[in-house]
Amino acid sequence: AQSVSQHNHHVILSEAASLELGCNYSYGGTVNLFWYVQYPGQHLQLLLKYFSGDPLVKGIKGFEAEFIKSKFSFNLRKPSVQWSDTAEYFCAVNPYNNNDMRFGAGTRLTVKP
Amino acid sequence: DTEVTQTPKHLVMGMTNKKSLKCEQHMGHRAMYWYKQKAKKPPELMFVYSYEKLSINESVPSRFSPECPNSSLLNLHLHALQPEDSALYLCASSQDRTEDTQYFGPGTRLTVL
Repeated sequence: AQSVSQHNHHVILSEAASLELGCNYSYGGTVNLFWYVQYPGQHLQLLLKYFSGDPLVKGIKGFEAEFIKSKFSFNLRKPSVQWSDTAEYFCAVNPYNNNDMRFGAGTRLTVKP
Repeated sequence: DTEVTQTPKHLVMGMTNKKSLKCEQHMGHRAMYWYKQKAKKPPELMFVYSYEKLSINESVPSRFSPECPNSSLLNLHLHALQPEDSALYLCASSQDRTEDTQYFGPGTRLTVL
């Protein structure tokens, strides 16, 4: 069965620091990859997604992620975080041609002003 | 419009009650999903409807009964729940069950007394 690992449970950064959140998955076939964000008290929102093509994908609010197939990884990055980026970040995977999505455990990001 | 709406926002029920959660989308999506999210945990898939037919039931207890009356509506009927069923219940929809982005509603916060 496919699984998704997010290695950082809680990350604390100061404003303007750079961010990288790790995500690894285990699945033998082709996958679609997502990062969702859940701001405090709000619903899940899509940050970015990778289906095919350029492995470096750009999303909303200055986030980007790189798909490295050989490492089964899809890490999320942002060069300079803001206090408003404080939220829970979920990596998610579903197999190609099948929308049965599995989420990682989530990483809580706290940005200090 | 990428909005999925869910009602009610909050629900408190006793273990002998029968209640229903409602989800609605008007994006023309043909796949709809129920997820359960416990505090500080990722969403877990419960049910998937594709073209108004149940296609996945992730071994969910029968006290949860989904229903898809039409392509825009998804219900989750609740009966004889347990306190451990208290959670945030999320609805999502996507164009279809293949590789496509899922859009999430704000959820219903359920408390079982």
